[in-house]
Amino acid sequence: DTEVTQTPKHLVMGMTNKKSLKCEQHMGHRAMYWYKQKAKKPPELMFVYSYEKLSINESVPSRFSPECPNSSLLNLHLHALQPEDSALYLCASSRPGLALETQYFGPGTRLLVL
Amino acid sequence: AQSVTQPDIHITVSEGASLELRCNYSYGATPYLFWYVQSPGQGLQLLLKYFSGDTLVQGIKGFEAEFKRSQSSFNLRKPSVHWSDAAEYFCAVGANNAGNMLTFGGGTRLMVKP
Repeated sequence: DTEVTQTPKHLVMGMTNKKSLKCEQHMGHRAMYWYKQKAKKPPELMFVYSYEKLSINESVPSRFSPECPNSSLLNLHLHALQPEDSALYLCASSRPGLALETQYFGPGTRLLVL
Repeated sequence: AQSVTQPDIHITVSEGASLELRCNYSYGATPYLFWYVQSPGQGLQLLLKYFSGDTLVQGIKGFEAEFKRSQSSFNLRKPSVHWSDAAEYFCAVGANNAGNMLTFGGGTRLMVKP
């Protein structure tokens, strides 16, 4: 099973709302990632978790708060977002440690902030 | 720091014609190179990757890529394109000095004419 699942598929939220994105994998991967992808652009790395600990934060605003409650789950908590945060949010997972390890991507959550 | 350039933003080919998508990278050591494909509204799927050994790499869906160190290139090829190949293609480089981080090129959108 090489599947990464993400929920919800679509999300519309106001700037004062609090919502969460969820990502799950059962491949035994101990590295998990959040990417943000704007239309017609490549994915941009936001966060990396390795062995359930935050290892990379690419200077992401604090209105995005990641959480890795266990080795299979990754959440992204959203609060007080701006319209420019509207994008496709992709989760990925891989075996940790080496750059040659393949990252497996989920289908993404398409977020619209009004 | 590593970087990736995909010189062609859009490419249109006729169904059944051959395809070559260009990718140039910048990295001081031997890179780990990946090609991903993204269908509209979907996540990224790995087509193939190179990290050592034979410089001609075979992937899924009939794609192959050739690593040329002298030209800092990792071009993706397919001998006969199918209409279902229409998608966005991303070349990416990973480097051990950057942990699990992938650096993506800007992407090439492939359109297939009937």
